[in-house]
Amino acid sequence: EIVLTQSPGTLSLSPGERATLSCRASQSVSSSYLAWYQQKPGQAPRLLIYGASSRATGIPDRFSGSGSGTDFTLTISRLEPEDFAVYYCQQYGSSRCSFGQGTKLEIK
Amino acid sequence: EVQLVESGGVVVQPGGSLRLSCAASGFTFDDYAMHWVRQAPGKGLEWVSLISWDGGSTYYADSVKGRFTISRDNSKNSLYLQMNSLRAEDTALYYCAKDMWEGESGLLDYWGQGTLVTVSS
Repeated sequence: EIVLTQSPGTLSLSPGERATLSCRASQSVSSSYLAWYQQKPGQAPRLLIYGASSRATGIPDRFSGSGSGTDFTLTISRLEPEDFAVYYCQQYGSSRCSFGQGTKLEIK
Repeated sequence: EVQLVESGGVVVQPGGSLRLSCAASGFTFDDYAMHWVRQAPGKGLEWVSLISWDGGSTYYADSVKGRFTISRDNSKNSLYLQMNSLRAEDTALYYCAKDMWEGESGLLDYWGQGTLVTVSS
């Protein structure tokens, strides 16, 4: 099983700033089958990025993903008030996917 | 519009059983694999189970293997999770989620709002 470790656990930033979230895998993620989800309080997760760098439908271009192998990054170029939430990375592409423990992005 | 609506979550005693349901609409249900994902109160996401488009293949997290059974009825556009021998650590919000591709990728593009299962005496 691939274990995903996200850092930092909590990130405190102000609107307008740039956010960089990290996800490290315990072994190489094949074909960059790495996704990012956003979850706001009381809501279901929403798919943001898949294939490490492809934005899902309707996701603003301030969200971008990068990385390969075992190291992946989600970048939010200029934080909007609605971006403060919890973000999860996920590895998929096999019969058993797994999630990271999450990074909480909070307003400073 | 894709909609996934879960139901069946209640308070149940340890050792008890429960069946969750998920009603799907807005897409061709029998083209896609489906998943259950859970989230314990205040915790992260945990993938629970996957069923192929035709129900012919099923997969489970180690934490639920042998106790939970996933199934589907394509004639009713419905997904199910039979939960037996429930434990306190099964307490969570259970989400139904659709696979994005016509396969079993594990990439989840639509999620329901969840149904809460509480295991407590």
